Amino acid sequence: SQQGEEDPQALSIQEGENATMNCSYKTSINNLQWYRQNSGRGLVHLILIRSNEREKHSGRLRVTLDTSKKSSSLLITASRAADTASYFCATDASNGGSQGNLIFGKGTKLSVKP
Amino acid sequence: DGGITQSPKYLFRKEGQNVTLSCEQNLNHDAMYWYRQDPGQGLRLIYYSQIVNDFQKGDIAEGYSVSREKKESFPLTVTSAQKNPTAFYLCASSIWRTSTDTQYFGPGTRLTVL
Repeated sequence: SQQGEEDPQALSIQEGENATMNCSYKTSINNLQWYRQNSGRGLVHLILIRSNEREKHSGRLRVTLDTSKKSSSLLITASRAADTASYFCATDASNGGSQGNLIFGKGTKLSVKP
Repeated sequence: DGGITQSPKYLFRKEGQNVTLSCEQNLNHDAMYWYRQDPGQGLRLIYYSQIVNDFQKGDIAEGYSVSREKKESFPLTVTSAQKNPTAFYLCASSIWRTSTDTQYFGPGTRLTVL
């Protein structure tokens, strides 16, 4: 079952611009995570934000969480060509039988042009 | 050098054959997971294991089987019962303590049915 949905599906920007990706989810969560996937590779964890947090920073990454709107955003500032990848949000299944398992969205494909 | 490895990187299978994908981790993680990823899609959970000699079905377990005889290893067998096995398969592991666990992914195995 799909919990998180990223928006937009694809995003193309110039190097140096900021990139914003959004994630919406349906049910209550304990935390939301963002992962990155380079083409044909495994996923790499970027950042985790807990349900009682509103904003979190890590380097050029800024994540916000609005539990009232059931949405999160990932901002990458001063983008680089090396940021080209797909970005996925993942939420924990805080209700239901798969406690502790992550449910991934379909991802946003980011292309940063030099 | 800790990490999670998958082999082979590419695998070709004839229809009607069973194939086994390898996943090994030396992170001392209790939990391991298998996901399937189709083009342009997110990850779907096939099976997961929280402890040695125990595993649970995920969302799309039909046509797949797993074993967890050792903490470090979680092989996935794609059986002939899986009608559309061509996909990218990702293995992951995490410390199974709370529902906030970060998952660490292997590089993936791309399976193609000829």
